[in-house]
Amino acid sequence: GPKVLQIPSHQIIDMGQMVTLNCDPVSNHLYFYWYKQILGQQMEFLVNFYNGKVMEKSKLFKDQFSVERPDGSYFTLKIQPTALEDSAVYFCASSAPGQSSYEQYFGPGTRLTVL
Amino acid sequence: GDSVTQTEGLVTLTEGLPVMLNCTYQTIYSNPFLFWYVQHLNESPRLLLKSFTDNKRTEHQGFHATLHKSSSSFHLQKSSAQLSDSALYYCALVSSGSWQLIFGSGTQLTVMP
Repeated sequence: GPKVLQIPSHQIIDMGQMVTLNCDPVSNHLYFYWYKQILGQQMEFLVNFYNGKVMEKSKLFKDQFSVERPDGSYFTLKIQPTALEDSAVYFCASSAPGQSSYEQYFGPGTRLTVL
Repeated sequence: GDSVTQTEGLVTLTEGLPVMLNCTYQTIYSNPFLFWYVQHLNESPRLLLKSFTDNKRTEHQGFHATLHKSSSSFHLQKSSAQLSDSALYYCALVSSGSWQLIFGSGTQLTVMP
């Protein structure tokens, strides 16, 4: 099936540093998402991005978070500065336009550890 | 707000026995989309089933589920479990006018020989 790629698979950084998580969505998809999963808890929605704009975001999407997809390259999640509570697995997802827009395809996740 | 409840955190059963994983939901919207995702170890969550039609059975890869709006349920079933079905199963909801997937806490299914 359609594949979403995420780079890197693991990232360890010191608190206060900046981190960028990269997502390579399915090629014809136009809707992009980030979800956060803290160890042992369920996945939670962070943000939805379409046509260069944030369409919807949750309370978890703090001011230190930003997303972009410059010129059809990676869809990125940037955290600046990072905090200890940002340690989690971050999943990227994408979906196609039209009637299939509710079918989200997920990447394998990036495990972020903030020390 | 909207929510999804999966009552079983862990289900262990023997190969060949039937599978039923429970999922109920809460939403103020009358036309939610319901999904089952399956996540094998070290892999991405993968869409298994979806539905937005009341009382219509949806099937894929031997699994089936029926959305019952009267009871706000979307239970996942399979007639005979296989060893390869061992995985983490998430029920999820999207409400009308949103793209946000709201996940349940997940059920870890382990199928023993």
